[in-house]
Amino acid sequence: DSGVTQTPKHLITATGQRVTLRCSPRSGDLSVYWYQQSLDQGLQFLIQYYNGEERAKGNILERFSAQQFPDLHSELNLSSLELGDSALYFCASSVGSDRINYGYTFGSGTRLTVV
Amino acid sequence: DAKTTQPNSMESNEEEPVHLPCNHSTISGTDYIHWYRQLPSQGPEYVIHGLTSNVNNRMASLAIAEDRKSSTLILHRATLRDAAVYYCILSESGAGSYQLTFGKGTKLSVIP
Repeated sequence: DSGVTQTPKHLITATGQRVTLRCSPRSGDLSVYWYQQSLDQGLQFLIQYYNGEERAKGNILERFSAQQFPDLHSELNLSSLELGDSALYFCASSVGSDRINYGYTFGSGTRLTVV
Repeated sequence: DAKTTQPNSMESNEEEPVHLPCNHSTISGTDYIHWYRQLPSQGPEYVIHGLTSNVNNRMASLAIAEDRKSSTLILHRATLRDAAVYYCILSESGAGSYQLTFGKGTKLSVIP
């Protein structure tokens, strides 16, 4: 157990639907990062939050959004789902936000299948 | 963006040392070098990181070239559990943020 908890582990939904993925960071970590991993794209950075504020955006689609709550857990919302959104979604956390001198801790991921 | 170049795959015999190379010729003076690995069906796992000096921890050693344009992750005795994709990454820092950009990595196979 890495200390980063992601739920659910598996999710199957239909095209056009909306889903929410949840992440609880490791105790004491203030930053949360979301990554998408598909077979053909590898690990793609989506978005980072630090202590409730958005800090960096990567290749995140407009149909996707995220937030970090006061208790530091984060949710990734995916809407108008398409077949191509099927992927593993990982959450990671770290202590700080800038000029890293420490590692990320990743969760075990949520496998999303859009049918 | 600072980029890294790694071999697509490598093989090692069990209980032998493994040297995983990484080239990063465009590294900036303040970029950290990170290594992560991803076992099948798991999330990436932090292995080691460094800036200029060689680093050791319980998992591995990181040897950084003097000009910092390349580095080598050293697993001292490969086990079957070390079979994974190994990613060499440079940290990218913006104003008040940083993120790790993963490439394709090196798929390490360990032969019993």
